[in-house]
Formats: sequence, structure tokens, C-alpha cells
Amino acid sequence: NAGVTQTPKFQVLKTGQSMTLQCAQDMNHNSMYWYRQDPGMGLRLIYYSASEGTTDKGEVPNGYNVSRLNKREFSLRLESAAPSQTSVYFCASSSTGEASYEQYFGPGTRLTVT
Amino acid sequence: AQSVTQLDSQVPVFEEAPVELRCNYSSSVSVYLFWYVQYPNQGLQLLLKYLSGSTLVKGINGFEAEFNKSQTSFHLRKPSVHISDTAEYFCAVSTNTGFQKLVFGTGTRLLVSP
Repeated sequence: NAGVTQTPKFQVLKTGQSMTLQCAQDMNHNSMYWYRQDPGMGLRLIYYSASEGTTDKGEVPNGYNVSRLNKREFSLRLESAAPSQTSVYFCASSSTGEASYEQYFGPGTRLTVT
Repeated sequence: AQSVTQLDSQVPVFEEAPVELRCNYSSSVSVYLFWYVQYPNQGLQLLLKYLSGSTLVKGINGFEAEFNKSQTSFHLRKPSVHISDTAEYFCAVSTNTGFQKLVFGTGTRLLVSP
């Protein structure tokens, strides 16, 4: 039982390049989330997927797209990376009902855009 | 909308001393409250949560928190800290209706020294 896995762990991009961050969970959770973590700003929600087949914008969606590929996988795409997107990205998942209040986090992807 | 304030960005403390990490929230509706911990270079994990019932909540690793509705606070405490408690601690809030999205505070770095 690996929990939430993210790839890659580290990535360096040049301005304008694109990339996709991958996330998978093996806990049969319905809901999945993408956050970014910046110094002094805590975690901010980029996009979330309440259930398979649905996605919604969070607090800071500009410059990102997501795909809920299936129940297990939720990817985050940067179409044209900008230095402002330098951050640590976390994927999380949760089940439904009262247990949905606990989100399980992956180890993060550290992205640098030069 | 909900918001969370963690006034202390960093709290230094000596090993075996007590510690309190402060969290205040703002919301026009009833909320659920959480504390998450992030160890260096890792994702977040849930320490404890308040959903309803007793206002004193006990979590993992000897931590506890008290929900105070009149003061809109949810401070985290530990009577005796260890070196291994050095980490960043995040307070988070969500509404108790609809799809629960977490809103995080900016975090408090707990530094435990010998």
C-alpha cells in the first residue's frame, strides 16, 4: 500500500516549456487535489476532483490544467511554465463521508522554472 | 469564505519544554478544524481534527488541541516536546456542509533544540 505517489520528485524547466505532474493513489479514494506550497503562504488549492469524471478550480488555477484520468490518477499540466510557478506541488486524496475530512498527501514535486 | 491565521511563523523551544502553537480562524458558518504536520522534505500528515463533540481533541505523538468557539481559536499544545517534533505545523479549516475543501494557514515552524 503505497498511499499517494507523485512523479517526478524534482524538475527544472525553462520558461515556456510544458510538463505534466503525475499523481496516483491506491486507497480507492473518490476525491483528489493539487496544491502548491510557497514560503510563507501555506498550501493553496489549485484544482480538485470531487469524484471520477469531475474537476473544479481551486484558489489559484491560472496557468494550470488537470485531468482525472481514472479513479486512481490525477495529473496536473503546466502548458507554458513561468518563473512564478516555481513551487513545491502536492497531490492529496480523500474518501467520502465523514472520512473525507482527512486528506492523505504525497511526498511532493519540487519544480523550478528558470 | 473561511480563513486561518497562524500568527507565529517560527517557535523555538527547548527539548522537554511545553509548547503552544496558535491558530485562529474566521468563518460565517460552522467549521471543522485540523492540524497537519510536515516533516522536512515530506508531505503533510494529519495530527488531529475537530468535527464535533468534546472541544478537547487528542491526536498523535502526544499533541492535543482545544476548540474555542467564542474566541474562534484552535490552539495546538504538547506538554513536553522532543527533538523529533521539529517540523512545520499547519492549521486548516473547512466548512461542515457541501464538498469539504481545506483552507490552510501559513504554517508555524517548530524548532526544538537540546
